[in-house]
Amino acid sequence: EIVMTQSPATLSVSPGERATLSCRASQSVSSNLAWYQRKPGQAPRLLIYGASTRATGIPDRFSGSGSGTEFTLTISSLQSEDFAVYYCQQYYNWPLTFGGGTKVEIK
Amino acid sequence: EVQLLESGGGLVQPGGSLRLSCAASGFAFSSYAMTWVRQAPGKGLEWVSSISGRGDSTHYTDSVKGRFTISRDNSKKTLYLQMNSLRAEDTAVYSCANNGGYDYYMDVWGKGTTVTVSS
Repeated sequence: EIVMTQSPATLSVSPGERATLSCRASQSVSSNLAWYQRKPGQAPRLLIYGASTRATGIPDRFSGSGSGTEFTLTISSLQSEDFAVYYCQQYYNWPLTFGGGTKVEIK
Repeated sequence: EVQLLESGGGLVQPGGSLRLSCAASGFAFSSYAMTWVRQAPGKGLEWVSSISGRGDSTHYTDSVKGRFTISRDNSKKTLYLQMNSLRAEDTAVYSCANNGGYDYYMDVWGKGTTVTVSS
């Protein structure tokens, strides 16, 4: 099983600032990496797939990078609606696995 | 607009059974793999099971193998999860999602249905 490790667990950021979230895989997943946003009471939303491709309708302040074992989600200028929990997920092989999540909170 | 609506959750005793349903609309259901993901209280997302578009290929996380069965009825555009021998640790919100093309990332998600296993 590929273990996905996200850091930090919590990120305190002021609105308008840049946020950088990390995701590490225990072995290479090539570019088979997705990022999701989850807000309380809402369905998770796909942000990024293929490590760097934005999903339909996702603002360009969200960007993904990396390949192999190291990945980054960057939110260039945090808006109020971006405070949420973010998860990475590998789909390189079975079982599919998620990281433990990074909570982005208001500083 | 792609929509997924789960149903069938509830309170069940340990050892009991439930069948979850996920009604899909707004996309060519039979062309897409589908997945169930759960989130236990205070925990993160956990993949449960996936099924190919034609239903001829299925995958399960180890903790549910032999107890849960994923299936689909493409004529009804509905995904199912039959859950038997339920345990307290199966308590979670269960969400369905459609997968992206040939890859198993989760494109659109439903809001989920709550399963509580308790005596």
